[in-house]
Amino acid sequence: GENVEQHPSTLSVQEGDSAVIKCTYSDSASNYFPWYKQELGKRPQLIIDIRSNVGEKKDQRIAVTLNKTAKHFSLHITETQPEDSAVYFCAATHFSGGYNKLIFGAGTRLAVHP
Amino acid sequence: EAQVTQNPRYLITVTGKKLTVTCSQNMNHEYMSWYRQDPGLGLRQIYYSMNVEVTDKGDVPEGYKVSRKEKRNFPLILESPSPNQTSLYFCASSLKGSGFYNEQFFGPGTRLTVL
Repeated sequence: GENVEQHPSTLSVQEGDSAVIKCTYSDSASNYFPWYKQELGKRPQLIIDIRSNVGEKKDQRIAVTLNKTAKHFSLHITETQPEDSAVYFCAATHFSGGYNKLIFGAGTRLAVHP
Repeated sequence: EAQVTQNPRYLITVTGKKLTVTCSQNMNHEYMSWYRQDPGLGLRQIYYSMNVEVTDKGDVPEGYKVSRKEKRNFPLILESPSPNQTSLYFCASSLKGSGFYNEQFFGPGTRLTVL
């Protein structure tokens, strides 16, 4: 079946450094790529998303890039802060059964050390 | 406040004892879904519902049932729970499907332990 691979599974950075999380997807028809942040003990929440007709999107310190040819997309966090510590999930849509479903990556645990 | 709620938040039970986890949303969303979250496996879809009385299997439906009799409610039923169903469960809803302009909102999660 369709899948989304996410790397790395854990990432440790110093406060102020940048963090990059990468995902690859298998369905060439995927057209929507959201990123969710899950803080410890909390629910996943959408932090940024991108459509297939856009190559890059930025929102303050976070940005997402998409390479449709290579079927991969990445989350970039600049000037990391301790409150960025969380698990991040990428996802890609897969059209099946008449609707778009989300296929999630396995998650990346980001730790930002002061 | 627009939200997705789940109950209970924590549950410890024994093998074979039927249980139901409730999910409710107050945003008039058509689409609702159940996921389980396990370490190293991300979020895997169990069942979903496109609208009232319309449900279908996700990627890991074995051992689970759902119903959608009302638009706001989407309960998850475990008829005979087994230890491999020990997991963190999330309900989610969106206006329609899972595309752009259809952000999925997640409930707070239910941590289930089956002994």
